[in-house]
Amino acid sequence: AQSVTQLDSHVSVSEGTPVLLRCNYSSSYSPSLFWYVQHPNKGLQLLLKYTSAATLVKGINGFEAEFKKSETSFHLTKPSAHMSDAAEYFCVVSDRGNKLVFGAGTILRVKS
Amino acid sequence: KAGVTQTPRYLIKTRGQQVTLSCSPISGHRSVSWYQQTPGQGLQFLFEYFSETQRNKGNFPGRFSGRQFSNSRSEMNVSTLELGDSALYLCASSPGTATDTQYFGPGTRLTVL
Repeated sequence: AQSVTQLDSHVSVSEGTPVLLRCNYSSSYSPSLFWYVQHPNKGLQLLLKYTSAATLVKGINGFEAEFKKSETSFHLTKPSAHMSDAAEYFCVVSDRGNKLVFGAGTILRVKS
Repeated sequence: KAGVTQTPRYLIKTRGQQVTLSCSPISGHRSVSWYQQTPGQGLQFLFEYFSETQRNKGNFPGRFSGRQFSNSRSEMNVSTLELGDSALYLCASSPGTATDTQYFGPGTRLTVL
């Protein structure tokens, strides 16, 4: 079965500094990987998606992630954090078709 | 296109009751999946429906059931509610192939007293 591990439950950064949210995955085949964001009391919004077309995936709001097969990682980055980036982020792998397996989530705090 | 809609947004029930949640997918999407989100267990897959058939199922008891109609709208039912069923229930829709993106609705917040 596929699984993902988000290495940090909380990350705190200052506004204008880089963001790094770490994710490792386990998959028996070439996976589809996603990052979703959830703002308080809101649904999930897709940030970006990897499906083997390119290892560096660019998403919305300046986020990007790099698929590294050798390290089984799919870390999410952003060069400069904005206050509006404060939210919970989920690394997700697709298992058996349309079933999504979610990581435990990383809460990003952005300090002014 | 309109997004995924879920009704109701909030629901309060008591133990032993049953509840039905509704999800309307994005127009043209044939797959609807349901997820439960709780602080303790995180986001967990309940089941997926595609063209009115359950195509995939998570590890939840039989009290949790669903169905999909010919217009792709889906309902989820929970019978004999327990306190532990209090959660945010999210529905997601997609065209239906394995690599399609799933688009989520805002969720239904169920509180069981």
